[in-house]
Amino acid sequence: GAVVSQHPSRVICKSGTSVKIECRSLDFQATTMFWYRQFPKQSLMLMATSNEGSKATYEQGVEKDKFLINHASLTLSTLTVTSAHPEDSSFYICSARLPGYDSPLHFGNGTRLTVT
Amino acid sequence: KNEVEQSPQNLTAQEGEFITINCSYSVGISALHWLQQHPGGGIVSLFMLSSGKKKHGRLIATINIQEKHSSLHITASHPRDSAVYICAVRRLGNQFYFGTGTSLTVIP
Repeated sequence: GAVVSQHPSRVICKSGTSVKIECRSLDFQATTMFWYRQFPKQSLMLMATSNEGSKATYEQGVEKDKFLINHASLTLSTLTVTSAHPEDSSFYICSARLPGYDSPLHFGNGTRLTVT
Repeated sequence: KNEVEQSPQNLTAQEGEFITINCSYSVGISALHWLQQHPGGGIVSLFMLSSGKKKHGRLIATINIQEKHSSLHITASHPRDSAVYICAVRRLGNQFYFGTGTSLTVIP
């Protein structure tokens, strides 16, 4: 089946630094990838939709200068948390969808970000 | 008000019990997803539904488009089914709305 690999699984960084999270579709081409954030004991919150070769579409309230998304190829999307602060500490998950309107979602295993 | 409401929020069951998790939504959708999130955080897509019923092993998912309601059933529950189950709906295009999840614990 379709596999999505997310890296790193955990990262600890100092306040003010930037962190890049990668999301790769290993055995399929994903024209669309999604980035989510999850706070403890809460559900997923969609942050942005990433389309290959074009600018990401951010959800309301998500700062696009803070959370930079790049989808440079059909198999890779990256989320960069810039100038991280402790309140950015969260669980970040990506998902990808095969081309096709009704194709299912495939999720990465998530990245636990801790900003100290 | 959330576009997607799930019930119950928490559920504890004895091994072998039949389990039902409900999802109601208030928007027009093109598809509904049932997701399973394990304690480590990884998420697996269990079902994607736009009508009717789907079955995979001990899991059954149904959807009633007119009533804007879906159910996830687990037959002969097992401790390894313990996880958070999330209902997500997709509107036309790529808009997704997520329920707050149902935390299931199956006791041996």
